Amino acid sequence: RKEVEQDPGPFNVPEGATVAFNCTYSNSASQSFFWYRQDCRKEPKLLMSVYSSGNEDGRFTAQLNRASQYISLLIRDSKLSDSATYLCVVSGGSNYKLTFGKGTLLTVNP
Amino acid sequence: GAVVSQHPSWVICKSGTSVKIECRSLDFQATTMFWYRQFPKQSLMLMATSNEGSKATYEQGVEKDKFLINHASLTLSTLTVTSAHPEDSSFYICSARDGPPILLAGGNQPQHFGDGTRLSIL
Repeated sequence: RKEVEQDPGPFNVPEGATVAFNCTYSNSASQSFFWYRQDCRKEPKLLMSVYSSGNEDGRFTAQLNRASQYISLLIRDSKLSDSATYLCVVSGGSNYKLTFGKGTLLTVNP
Repeated sequence: GAVVSQHPSWVICKSGTSVKIECRSLDFQATTMFWYRQFPKQSLMLMATSNEGSKATYEQGVEKDKFLINHASLTLSTLTVTSAHPEDSSFYICSARDGPPILLAGGNQPQHFGDGTRLSIL
C-alpha cells in the first residue's frame, strides 16, 4: 500500500463548480498534514496546512480524520486559476520528512 | 515570506558529466534542507535530508556516492550528480524548513521549495 494515496483524477470542472479531493495515508504515526499545489513544470507551493479541527481559507476547506487516516480538500466556486495538480502531503518520523501523494490534476474550464 | 533559491533552473549536458545544483535559503537559516526528485507524472520522492555541518541522510535506494550532498552553511546546500547518465534526467527540487528547530516546535512548519532544476542528460 502506498504511503499517501490520492484520487487519480484528472478532474475537469466548469468555473464556479465545487470540487473535492480525497487522500488517505498509511502511517498512523504521521503528525503533520498539508495540501500543496503544483503548476506544470514548477515547484510545489503550500496551499494550506490541515488540522484535526478542520480549517478554512477563503474558498478552500481542509479536513483531517485521524481515526480514518483520511484528508480532504474542498474548493468552492472554482476559478480558472485553480487549475493545477493538488498534492496531499504527510509529515512524520524523527526528521519530519514530507511524503507526497502522486497528485490529482484539476482543470477548471471556462 | 521565506524564499528558497535554486540554481541552475535548467541543465542539459552530456552523459558522464557531473552536475552541481545549489539550494539557498535567502532570508532565513535552514539547519535542515531536503532534496527531492520528480519524474514525469510521478510524485516527489525524497532523496536525502541535508543537515548543516553533518553528513546527509539518504533514503533507501539512493546512492550516496552518486548524489553527493554538502551543507556547509546555514543557507546553502548543494547536490552534485556525479557522472550523470540519461536515467538521471529528472526534476530535482530542494526545500528548507523555516522556523524553530524541530525538537522545540514540532513538525508542523511547512517546507519552502526552490524553483527546481530540470536536468537533461544526453
